[in-house]
Amino acid sequence: GAVVSQHPSWVICKSGTSVKIECRSLDFQATTMFWYRQFPKQSLMLMATSNEGSKATYEQGVEKDKFLINHASLTLSTLTVTSAHPEDSSFYICSARDSGGLGGSEQYFGPGTRLTVT
Amino acid sequence: GENVEQHPSTLSVQEGDSAVIKCTYSDSASNYFPWYKQELGKGPQLIIDIRSNVGEKKDQRIAVTLNKTAKHFSLHITETQPEDSAVYFCAACNYGQNFVFGPGTRLSVLP
Repeated sequence: GAVVSQHPSWVICKSGTSVKIECRSLDFQATTMFWYRQFPKQSLMLMATSNEGSKATYEQGVEKDKFLINHASLTLSTLTVTSAHPEDSSFYICSARDSGGLGGSEQYFGPGTRLTVT
Repeated sequence: GENVEQHPSTLSVQEGDSAVIKCTYSDSASNYFPWYKQELGKGPQLIIDIRSNVGEKKDQRIAVTLNKTAKHFSLHITETQPEDSAVYFCAACNYGQNFVFGPGTRLSVLP
């Protein structure tokens, strides 16, 4: 149980185009999902918190107009990188909080999406 | 806000030996402490967690201990195997709040 999927796992796009990444909780409902960015050999950096049916909460320094987040259902959140540039190249990871978990705090991570902008 | 430190940053052990990774946190209100294992090119995988009402938790070769007074918690891996080689992240959070991750420990198990 507690499986989170991400799609695509790897994407290469041209500078100026937009890329959408999907995050799905497969066997549980997630009212809250998180989007992280990870640079090589570094820890996870929280970009935004996505709540089902409401606007995402962005961390300081993250451009909400560049990283569009939509959490339309209890099992799906999407991150769209708009007008991507090479500096947006990174490993993007989502996680989902298990709303029905024993403690309500457990987060399960997706496998990540490697974005390369050329 | 919460701040999580993690030591060591890298750790090499011989196969069969034990490995210990320690994390300290700053917010006494934090009450949930998960550990994640991340293999190269993959997302983090939850391997064990502990809540503040428990001092120790064990799952086969993996154990976590928590000292609330000192505000530190540790991951213990016994009888290490090459497949344990990965980056390990600790995290701390208060119920319903966002995780704060440690910087990670790169564990290498040498055959």
